[in-house]
Amino acid sequence: SQQGEEDPQALSIQEGENATMNCSYKTSINNLQWYRQNSGRGLVHLILIRSNEREKHSGRLRVTLDTSKKSSSLLITASRAADTASYFCATGGNQFYFGTGTSLTVIP
Amino acid sequence: DVKVTQSSRYLVKRTGEKVFLECVQDMDHENMFWYRQDPGLGLRLIYFSYDVKMKEKGDIPEGYSVSREKKERFSLILESASTNQTSMYLCASSLAGRRENSPLHFGNGTRLTVT
Repeated sequence: SQQGEEDPQALSIQEGENATMNCSYKTSINNLQWYRQNSGRGLVHLILIRSNEREKHSGRLRVTLDTSKKSSSLLITASRAADTASYFCATGGNQFYFGTGTSLTVIP
Repeated sequence: DVKVTQSSRYLVKRTGEKVFLECVQDMDHENMFWYRQDPGLGLRLIYFSYDVKMKEKGDIPEGYSVSREKKERFSLILESASTNQTSMYLCASSLAGRRENSPLHFGNGTRLTVT
């Protein structure tokens, strides 16, 4: 029962540009989390936004949450080549459900 | 920092073999999880555990079992490996009990190939 669905599936941008990824989910949530995965590695937690929050910032990351639309977005500002990775949203309570991810390529 | 260690990065096994994937975390986390990751399918939850000797099925438990004899160790067992179990297996752990949400901490994964 996969919950999160990221969009787009793949994104390619130039270094310095902003990257926006979207996530849609199906049922009510307590929070939504974003993770990053470098090729061939495990996932790393980036940011958590609670259901009563609308926006959250962490460094170059900005996450928004719209519970009425069951959607979230992750914005990476001033992207760097090192941001090249796959990004996943995850929802759930005791169990976490992940989408299929957005593959981001930042071209130097 | 939390460290989640999976015993093997790459593993090649034959069909029908019994396979053990080991995962150890060093931060006294209550919750531990096993996922498999396949292209186009994302991460799918196989089993999880809230405490020692406790286990619960995830979305795709068929063909797998788990063992949690100690808090820090969560083992995934493929009773009789099949080619459709070729995948990347990811172990994760998290703090707190059932009703709280805390981030997952992942190991680096085990890429299992069953021939």
